[in-house]
Amino acid sequence: GAGVSQSPRYKVAKRGQDVALRCDPISGHVSLFWYQQALGQGPEFLTYFQNEAQLDKSGLPSDRFFAERPEGSVSTLKIQRTQQEDSAVYLCASSLVAIGELFFGEGSRLTVL
Amino acid sequence: GESVGLHLPTLSVQEGDNSIINCAYSNSASDYFIWYKQESGKGPQFIIDIRSNMDKRQGQRVTVLLNKTVKHLSLQIAATQPGDSAVYFCAEGGGSYIPTFGRGTSLIVHP
Repeated sequence: GAGVSQSPRYKVAKRGQDVALRCDPISGHVSLFWYQQALGQGPEFLTYFQNEAQLDKSGLPSDRFFAERPEGSVSTLKIQRTQQEDSAVYLCASSLVAIGELFFGEGSRLTVL
Repeated sequence: GESVGLHLPTLSVQEGDNSIINCAYSNSASDYFIWYKQESGKGPQFIIDIRSNMDKRQGQRVTVLLNKTVKHLSLQIAATQPGDSAVYFCAEGGGSYIPTFGRGTSLIVHP
């Protein structure tokens, strides 16, 4: 597609449920980022991939969060045993090169009840 | 100015005015700075970037100024239009070049 695609756009989960959020980056983009954005806040870095290698996962808030990009294209962010504080918009961004303009998807809004 | 809780700093302007949005950054090692625009329900959209070896860069209707001495960045929007209404974020990239976002400023343009 022409841009970064994220699915689902909206997800409601019961506390304790596992969720998986998908990101389709722009074709050929080397770098892929996941950010978490709480209401009224700026995006907070979660993790970064260069091709299939996860180079930085320092922003993942707990071991319940896991991300993968096995073939260097599509990425999945998985959250296990969701908690209410996980409610946020999860943004995926890709970049053609390691340092450059980020192209963001529209985000996946997660609400944990 | 500073805000507490969910209230973003807000700048209200009249259509046609020039807007200036300010940002202070904290990491002296940052050498790449980016401005993003985020409309409601959408992801951030790149506006303009600047590297630390420059103090000014111009785009279409936008200018970014960088003052490394006081670690300050500003975005100037000329002839502001209602379509410019959005939240604006500055982001800084340090040695890792993983952009770190500030809190954002809400720009409201009145017709």
